[in-house]
Amino acid sequence: NAGVTQTPKFRILKIGQSMTLQCTQDMNHNYMYWYRQDPGMGLKLIYYSVGAGITDKGEVPNGYNVSRSTTEDFPLRLELAAPSQTSVYFCASSTWTGRDTEAFFGQGTRLTVV
Amino acid sequence: AQKITQTQPGMFVQEKEAVTLDCTYDTSDPSYGLFWYKQPSSGEMIFLIYQGSYDQQNATEGRYSLNFQKARKSANLVISASQLGDSAMYFCAMREGNAGNNRKLIWGLGTSLAVNP
Repeated sequence: NAGVTQTPKFRILKIGQSMTLQCTQDMNHNYMYWYRQDPGMGLKLIYYSVGAGITDKGEVPNGYNVSRSTTEDFPLRLELAAPSQTSVYFCASSTWTGRDTEAFFGQGTRLTVV
Repeated sequence: AQKITQTQPGMFVQEKEAVTLDCTYDTSDPSYGLFWYKQPSSGEMIFLIYQGSYDQQNATEGRYSLNFQKARKSANLVISASQLGDSAMYFCAMREGNAGNNRKLIWGLGTSLAVNP
């Protein structure tokens, strides 16, 4: 029962490099999210998706891009990494059953940009 | 203005005692949901408990209960009989609006709970 799987768990990037954070869920959830968590802070929404082919910006989308070609996958792309993108990134998914349900989170990716 | 306010950056509790973690929220929408998550030092986010704005009774899940006071816009988490494993960060989060259309969560800054033996 995998749930939400994120890779990699840790990554160090140099300024200006690019990378893709992978996220896969096996629960057939329509909704998927990318959050970042800076030290001592709560989570801030980067991008979200309500279904395959549909994505939208969250609170802090600058410097990131996403795609949602399948229900299962929701990769996050960082172009031209900057030190301000040093953070822990969480992918999450949820569904709608006629009432609220909780979001399930991946283990997180700790990214350092140097 | 903060939509979710957790006023206690850090809390201490003695093992086996109860502790209340505060959360106040700000919304003008009649439909909303409130969530509590736990984040241990290992980093994962663990769902604890949920309260819907239209729910008549306070939510309970094992040792966790939610003291929901709608008029005061507060949704405090109560942990009974604290255990050493309860030491973690605790986050309050809110979903506003029609849950069928909007599944985004707004998060508080968290409260760090330390359980003393």
